[in-house]
Amino acid sequence: DTGVSQNPRHKITKRGQNVTFRCDPISEHNRLYWYRQTLGQGPEFLTYFQNEAQLEKSRLLSDRFSAERPKGSFSTLEIQRTEQGDSAMYLCASSFSETSGNEQYFGPGTRLTVT
Amino acid sequence: AQKVTQAQTEISVVEKEDVTLDCVYETRDTTYYLFWYKQPPSGELVFLIRRNSFDEQNEISGRYSWNFQKSTSSFNFTITASQVVDSAVYFCARMGYSGGGADGLTFGKGTHLIIQP
Repeated sequence: DTGVSQNPRHKITKRGQNVTFRCDPISEHNRLYWYRQTLGQGPEFLTYFQNEAQLEKSRLLSDRFSAERPKGSFSTLEIQRTEQGDSAMYLCASSFSETSGNEQYFGPGTRLTVT
Repeated sequence: AQKVTQAQTEISVVEKEDVTLDCVYETRDTTYYLFWYKQPPSGELVFLIRRNSFDEQNEISGRYSWNFQKSTSSFNFTITASQVVDSAVYFCARMGYSGGGADGLTFGKGTHLIIQP
């Protein structure tokens, strides 16, 4: 069990560019979550998948944000036309739905800086 | 929104002192779960504990203990004999069940704990 991995760890982009982040969950976990964390705040829930189905996406911050998990394994989070306000840490977490309470295990995050 | 409030933004204590981190939550759910996570300076969130709404037993794990009180909607975390390695930001979080499925975690703003040698 290698834990949740995220790539890249850091991304610097210019305003208006599109960015895509990848998350690989713990292998036996069927649920995958995306969060955003800004400085001095707790993580903010964005969306989650159970297998390949996206079960909650109303919390995505705008229509510039989208996520996919096409084969029920890794997931990608895309931000189109980035803005400076998108600068944050993007966290991925995974869990196993049969575990009562669904404790989530987090990856190291991708830090996005929009210049 | 059903909030989680961690009123203590920062706490600083001297090593070996006991310290309690407060957490108050709001919920309209009958079934819900409460969590504590630690975020050390390296940045990765580390799971510490999960509690479900039907189990109000306090829990102790080594130097860590948790006090869950439904009557006051609180889930406080105590570290006894604190150590420098305990220095981190600690987050309290809740998860409810809506529409038959689990939802994401709602986090508090965190408490920055500083343990001075």
